[in-house]
Amino acid sequence: SQKIEQNSEALNIQEGKTATLTCNYTNYSPAYLQWYRQDPGRGPVFLLLIRENEKEKRKERLKVTFDTTLKQSLFHITASQPADSATYLCVRRDNYGQNFVFGPGTRLSVLP
Amino acid sequence: DAGVIQSPRHEVTEMGQEVTLRCKPISGHNSLFWYRQTMMRGLELLIYFNNNVPIDDSGMPEDRFSAKMPNASFSTLKIQPSEPRDSAVYFCASSLGDRGGFGQPQHFGDGTRLSIL
Repeated sequence: SQKIEQNSEALNIQEGKTATLTCNYTNYSPAYLQWYRQDPGRGPVFLLLIRENEKEKRKERLKVTFDTTLKQSLFHITASQPADSATYLCVRRDNYGQNFVFGPGTRLSVLP
Repeated sequence: DAGVIQSPRHEVTEMGQEVTLRCKPISGHNSLFWYRQTMMRGLELLIYFNNNVPIDDSGMPEDRFSAKMPNASFSTLKIQPSEPRDSAVYFCASSLGDRGGFGQPQHFGDGTRLSIL
């Protein structure tokens, strides 16, 4: 079965620094990876999607990369702010919807 | 625009009782997903529908769980009989049609926190 691992359960960084979160997958590359943000007591909110044939995607202060050789996606938040504190989830999905798997999430805390 | 609406937000009931969770997807979305989230297992896909038809229910834990989507604007997840190990947060999400699997974002409700005593 396909698995998703996220590098750490929790990550603390200082405000203004770049946060880097890691998502590793097993077996073959998924058709795409999605990243979501989840705040306590709320449902996940979609942030970014990257396809297998894309190296990098950006949205404002967010950047995601996809390395099929390393079987890894990196999610970066530049100029981090305390409001970025949340749990970030990586999701893999293949074509036709199969193998839809969420990672365990990384809880990010941005300290003022 | 109204997002995905789930009810109830919280449910506490005794073991053995029937539990029904409800979901109203975003209008125009034709894919609907039910998830369960626990500390131990994270977020797990239980079942998803496309155009009101169940496509993949391989995540449904056992026969005590059932899900229906009688029309495009309503779905239920039922547990009968409920057990303490069913305690979790249950999320519903919807998206535009994704049979082609091209990564449409999912829009989640705020979940139902279920506690089975």
